[in-house]
Amino acid sequence: NAGVTQTPKFQVLKTGQSMTLQCAQDMNHEYMSWYRQDPGMGLRLIHYSVGAGITDQGEVPNGYNVSRSTTEDFPLRLLSAAPSQTSVYFCASSLTGGLSETQYFGPGTRLLVL
Amino acid sequence: KNQVEQSPQSLIILEGKNCTLQCNYTVSPFSNLRWYKQDTGRGPVSLTIMTFSENTKSNGRYTATLDADTKQSSLHITASQLSDSASYICVVSAGGSYIPTFGRGTSLIVHP
Repeated sequence: NAGVTQTPKFQVLKTGQSMTLQCAQDMNHEYMSWYRQDPGMGLRLIHYSVGAGITDQGEVPNGYNVSRSTTEDFPLRLLSAAPSQTSVYFCASSLTGGLSETQYFGPGTRLLVL
Repeated sequence: KNQVEQSPQSLIILEGKNCTLQCNYTVSPFSNLRWYKQDTGRGPVSLTIMTFSENTKSNGRYTATLDADTKQSSLHITASQLSDSASYICVVSAGGSYIPTFGRGTSLIVHP
């Protein structure tokens, strides 16, 4: 199993550009989520999904869109990038999203918005 | 507002020494508390999970404790190794919520 994979590893954008961060998992997990990690702050949940076709907002959803057309993939879209979105983005998955389940994190995508 | 506070912010110790990291939380209703290890440039990896009824849980050289009354947890690392150099993150989940509360982490550096 590859676990949770993310692409790209690093990206530089100009303000106003759009892009999609890719996330895939091969563990047949129903629950997937996106976090951002900023210096001096804890990870914050952006969006999450409890299964294909179902998504919901986390703590900091503004400026981000998600969709879940398959169990395996959970892309994160930035429609118009802003410098405030400079961060490290982590995708994570767990079996069903149960509170006691272990979340498996991807390696992260480092995004710089100029 | 749910909060998780970790201390110290950073810690430097010599290889072979023990250390203890602290986590205080105000999350309600409490469901569980998890400790993660995050190596530089990588995603967090779960070390252990504590539920309300558990006081102590070990994972190799890592021992986590939970005092649900005082809402405090600690992570004790025994006989530290260079590979223990990482950020250790405390995460608390509330019942009925998919949104966990993350602490800012403690950065541990183990010197030879």
